[in-house]
Amino acid sequence: GESVGLHLPTLSVQEGDNSIINCAYSNSASDYFIWYKQESGKGPQFIIDIRSNMDKRQGQRVTVLLNKTVKHLSLQIAATQPGDSAVYFCAEKSGGSQGNLIFGKGTKLSVKP
Amino acid sequence: GAGVSQSPRYKVAKRGQDVALRCDPISGHVSLFWYQQALGQGPEFLTYFQNEAQLDKSGLPSDRFFAERPEGSVSTLKIQRTQQEDSAVYLCASSVREGGYEQYFGPGTRLTVT
Repeated sequence: GESVGLHLPTLSVQEGDNSIINCAYSNSASDYFIWYKQESGKGPQFIIDIRSNMDKRQGQRVTVLLNKTVKHLSLQIAATQPGDSAVYFCAEKSGGSQGNLIFGKGTKLSVKP
Repeated sequence: GAGVSQSPRYKVAKRGQDVALRCDPISGHVSLFWYQQALGQGPEFLTYFQNEAQLDKSGLPSDRFFAERPEGSVSTLKIQRTQQEDSAVYLCASSVREGGYEQYFGPGTRLTVT
């Protein structure tokens, strides 16, 4: 399978615990942010998004927090399960762009049963 | 419903060969994006279509890369005279919206140039 997780920051959590994955962005003009989950050999899977006029958004078992003051984004996963093991990417879109996303480096989440 | 599909899933090309990678977006999605993902990295933007119009090709690494979406649905990414540094996974994403919101990705095509 594809070794997407090489040389990536790794977060290891126990099954059932909550996970927090962090992401810093650099462009203060970014107005839209997405979190993706990528499993080995697969394309990125949309998890949750947030616009810059919000600071928090919740989905099923996931919450995204946006702190525009320090240009920081986080993804919280509640009651982490083995199926959550993957590489997680944050992506940002500049308000001035046509639509392309700029991806962060990714964090590999490993869930121990 | 059906997601974004890409073909072939795997492609091996000898250096100097031309390749064509296909993307079938989700039906009705007006926006289509191509990204390149190197091993261990996040995807990097290549080009963007809104319907049949190529609005942004700023990410294409050289003039050997060409993309088209002639009828506003299926898209093809063509790489001419492939080189080893072209080896990567090529991802296609589509969105029902304009402007890059809510992009859904296909499984990608892994290109290996030998």
